[in-house]
Amino acid sequence: ILNVEQSPQSLHVQEGDSTNFTCSFPSSNFYALHWYRWETAKSPEALFVMTLNGDEKKKGRISATLNTKEGYSYLYIKGSQPEDSATYLCASTTTSGTYKYIFGTGTRLKVLA
Amino acid sequence: GAVVSQHPSWVICKSGTSVKIECRSLDFQATTMFWYRQFPKQSLMLMATSNEGSKATYEQGVEKDKFLINHASLTLSTLTVTSAHPEDSSFYICSAISTSGGRGETQYFGPGTRLLVL
Repeated sequence: ILNVEQSPQSLHVQEGDSTNFTCSFPSSNFYALHWYRWETAKSPEALFVMTLNGDEKKKGRISATLNTKEGYSYLYIKGSQPEDSATYLCASTTTSGTYKYIFGTGTRLKVLA
Repeated sequence: GAVVSQHPSWVICKSGTSVKIECRSLDFQATTMFWYRQFPKQSLMLMATSNEGSKATYEQGVEKDKFLINHASLTLSTLTVTSAHPEDSSFYICSAISTSGGRGETQYFGPGTRLLVL
């Protein structure tokens, strides 16, 4: 994998459903993986930063896991609510070159009431 | 904490004019700010990295004479799109990191500016 990829591109879920989506990133020279939540017309909100293989982070009903050896991270939302509707972005940074984020295209989540 | 503002949020201009976008860190000092551009259905693409008091570092393919970046203080960076043309129409968003810096540092983003060049 040369780029950061996210799947699915978009999804609709019913209120109360749990859901998850994937971020795939280059595993070579990996340093950190960031997740953001981005609501329309607002600033992207930082959710998690993870660096170690096997890391798990949790914030309320949202959690994330990290596998640096195979180059993927999962974001889970338990009991989705309409206010969870947003685009979820991931970005990776590497140990090589200058510090910068490489973003995926995001997963657009719509939670239906 | 860690709030970044960006103005304007929307701008429509005529072809050939210049447009300035401001990015401010409101409650922290930012030695480094970043400017991104996003075209429809694409990811945020880094245009340049701006360090306070020094020249910006531009990514490959980004014209530095077209996109002028100034980072004169620890709380303000500006992006000026000079002689804008319709192909410059895009969504521009800035981010900032605190003075501590580091490869795991979280970037804090502004809400973005949508530019339409007629």
